[in-house]
Order: sequence, then structure tokens, then C-alpha cells
Amino acid sequence: SQTIHQWPATLVQPVGSPLSLECTVEGTSNPNLYWYRQAAGRGLQLLFYSVGIGQISSEVPQNLSASRPQDRQFILSSKKLLLSDSGFYLCAWTGRGTGVAFDGYTFGSGTRLTVV
Amino acid sequence: SQELEQSPQSLIVQEGKNLTINCTSSKTLYGLYWYKQKYGEGLIFLMMLQKGGEEKSHEKITAKLDEKKQQSSLHITASQPSHAGIYLCGADIWYGNKLVFGAGTILRVKS
Repeated sequence: SQTIHQWPATLVQPVGSPLSLECTVEGTSNPNLYWYRQAAGRGLQLLFYSVGIGQISSEVPQNLSASRPQDRQFILSSKKLLLSDSGFYLCAWTGRGTGVAFDGYTFGSGTRLTVV
Repeated sequence: SQELEQSPQSLIVQEGKNLTINCTSSKTLYGLYWYKQKYGEGLIFLMMLQKGGEEKSHEKITAKLDEKKQQSSLHITASQPSHAGIYLCGADIWYGNKLVFGAGTILRVKS
């Protein structure tokens, strides 16, 4: 069966420090991968998505970047964190389909980032 | 997301009462997803709707997608404290493979 792993679960980082959050998927190949951010416990904002190795689409200009060095690995990074980067970060994957993502979207357990 | 309007923003109901949460889009929805979330935790998948007029139920939760595939409602019958949390609707709006979300509805159930 497919599983998605996201770590760390919580992170407290000072302003100006770098960031690296990792997400890996098991039990599937060629997944679409996504990073979302949730602020103040409300709706999720799509940050990045990837349909293949090295292919990254950015949805919102910001202080973050994403990379996909391997098929089932998705990394969210920042060179210098801002206070506004605090939030709950969720990784998700879906299987490839023609048109609608019939497999649905599966989410990781999330990383709570607090920038101090 | 500006593309999905979710209402109400928050809701407090007495245990045992019914409630409805709505999700509306100005664009055709290629897939509509409902998730539940406890604060600070990951998302729990509830239901996915794809066809106009489709309706699905799981335990005391029923979700519908209208014929035009631009509006969905989530209905909870005889609410319980375990139903409390944040309900999020998400939609595939770009020929699939890109999921965007509404702002969420915070539900509290009073015992």
C-alpha cells in the first residue's frame, strides 16, 4: 500500500535561518507531489506542485522553494526564514490520471513550523 | 482560495442538531473533495464527488454535488462532539491534478 512520510512533525527556527522539510512517498511511482501551507488553522494554500523529477511549479511567489531530486521525494526549502513563514505545512500526493486525478489526494501528517 | 467559497466560516451547534456546510465555485469542478481536520493535524479524507448530481454518504455525513458541478454541500445529521473540527472543501479546477481549497469551516459541537 502507498504511504506518505513527512518530517519533522514540529520545528522552531529563528528568523534568518534556513529550512528544509522533506516528504517521501512509498508504494507508488510517478506521483504528483504537492506542498501546502495552512495559516491560523484555516484553508490550505497550494505552494508548489510537481509532476516529475526536477519539474516544479510555483503557485505563490514567496520566500520558499521546492525541489524534487528523486521520483518520490519532495523537499521544501528556504535560505532565510521570515516570521511570516510560520504555519502548518502539508505534503500530498496523487496518482497520475488522464484528466481528473481519480486516485484522490493523500496528505501527510504535516509539519508545524514556528519562526521566532 | 479565491476560487472556492466556503460557508459558513464557523458554526456552533448543539449536540444532536443537523448542519450544512456549503462550497461554491464560479468554475466547473472536475472533482470535489471534502476533508476534515483536527487542529494541528493532517487531513482526513471524507468523500470525493465527480459527477453532477452525485451524492455520497458515510455514517452520518452526506455530501452532494449539484448538476452543474459548481456547488457542493456537506450535511451532518445528529451532530456529535466527535464531528467537531475544521471542514475543508477542495476541488480539481485545472483539468485535474491540481487541488485548491476553500477557506474552511470551523465546527464546534456543544454537549
